[in-house]
Amino acid sequence: DAGVIQSPRHEVTEMGQEVTLRCKPISGHDYLFWYRQTMMRGLELLIYFNNNVPIDDSGMPEDRFSAKMPNASFSTLKIQPSEPRDSAVYFCASRGSGAATDTQYFGPGTRLTVL
Amino acid sequence: GENVEQHPSTLSVQEGDSAVIKCTYSDSASNYFPWYKQELGKRPQLIIDIRSNVGEKKDQRIAVTLNKTAKHFSLHITETQPEDSAVYFCAATVRDTGFQKLVFGTGTRLLVSP
Repeated sequence: DAGVIQSPRHEVTEMGQEVTLRCKPISGHDYLFWYRQTMMRGLELLIYFNNNVPIDDSGMPEDRFSAKMPNASFSTLKIQPSEPRDSAVYFCASRGSGAATDTQYFGPGTRLTVL
Repeated sequence: GENVEQHPSTLSVQEGDSAVIKCTYSDSASNYFPWYKQELGKRPQLIIDIRSNVGEKKDQRIAVTLNKTAKHFSLHITETQPEDSAVYFCAATVRDTGFQKLVFGTGTRLLVSP
């Protein structure tokens, strides 16, 4: 298994532009999580899905952020319009269900820089 | 909501010494406690985990202990090596209206000096 896949790995954009981050979870996993990591705020959970349905989006900072999971193998996190304070590393993670599959696996992350 | 506190925020040790990182949690229903290691520029990776029905777990030089009564768990690294230098995160599960998510501590930056 290739693990959790994220693209792009690096994104540099200008303030006001739309940014779309992509994630492919591990096959068979039914949970998908989006995190944001910064030095100041640490690792923040933005939103998570179970069986493609958003369960908790209370961590999404503003209406400028949105996330979708159209099918079990793909999710996007969109920022529109982007702002310099959105600069961070965004991680996607996935896990299965049941006590034997509690382990959450992270993708390599997308480093976003908004100028 | 669930809170996970982690201490210390930074830890410097000499190679060969032991390192201990401590976490406390607030939700008595938490039942799974993983530890992640994050090297600079890399993703967090699971290094060890423990479930609430176990008090201690060991894997070579790393061990985790859990005290459910006091709601705290600790990571122990023995015979530290420079390659152990990284940021370590603890986490605890939280039940969320029938679903489950992890709440992470704020991280401990471990520096092992040769």
